[in-house]
Amino acid sequence: EAGVAQSPRYKIIEKRQSVAFWCNPISGHATLYWYQQILGQGPKLLIQFQNNGVVDDSQLPKDRFSAERLKGVDSTLKIQPAKLEDSAVYLCASSLDRRHEQFFGPGTRLTVL
Amino acid sequence: GIQVEQSPPDLILQEGANSTLRCNFSDSVNNLQWFHQNPWGQLINLFYIPSGTKQNGRLSATTVATERYSLLYISSSQTTDSGVYFCAVGPRSGNQFYFGTGTSLTVIP
Repeated sequence: EAGVAQSPRYKIIEKRQSVAFWCNPISGHATLYWYQQILGQGPKLLIQFQNNGVVDDSQLPKDRFSAERLKGVDSTLKIQPAKLEDSAVYLCASSLDRRHEQFFGPGTRLTVL
Repeated sequence: GIQVEQSPPDLILQEGANSTLRCNFSDSVNNLQWFHQNPWGQLINLFYIPSGTKQNGRLSATTVATERYSLLYISSSQTTDSGVYFCAVGPRSGNQFYFGTGTSLTVIP
């Protein structure tokens, strides 16, 4: 069974530019999560989707971050405009349903210069 | 939100030694997972254990939900066990999922 796929693996941009990350969850998983992991810290949940609806986005900085999960499968996370403090690893995870075991992708390492 | 504290923050072991990692959480949970983050950043699932005891090879875990803690046991440690171990919990109320600060484990040959 294929795992969670993410791309790109690495991205370097300058501040005020925009960037987008893509995630393809495990087949059949209804719930998809985006996390931000800053160096030296545990991941922080940004947004959770159940199929194509948002369940929780309380930690998402909505003035610059947006996410969508059209058709309830793939998802994209966008940052516009990026700030220096957005430098982090962005992790995508999926689970069969809410409150089930989560499985993580390899992450996208973002550096904002 | 729920507070998740892990101890110890850092641990250095000789190969072959045993260790116990602890995760304390501040509220009732219905979801608890242990992960190993390897040096390349990949989060590897170890246990999904909101309650009870599980074992998988040299690793085992116990969660006592009523007392709000979970323990991860590593026996006969190997150098490949090095990395950061995270505990993460989902509270009974709400949809968030909270990670602890992690335990950084180094196993030396």
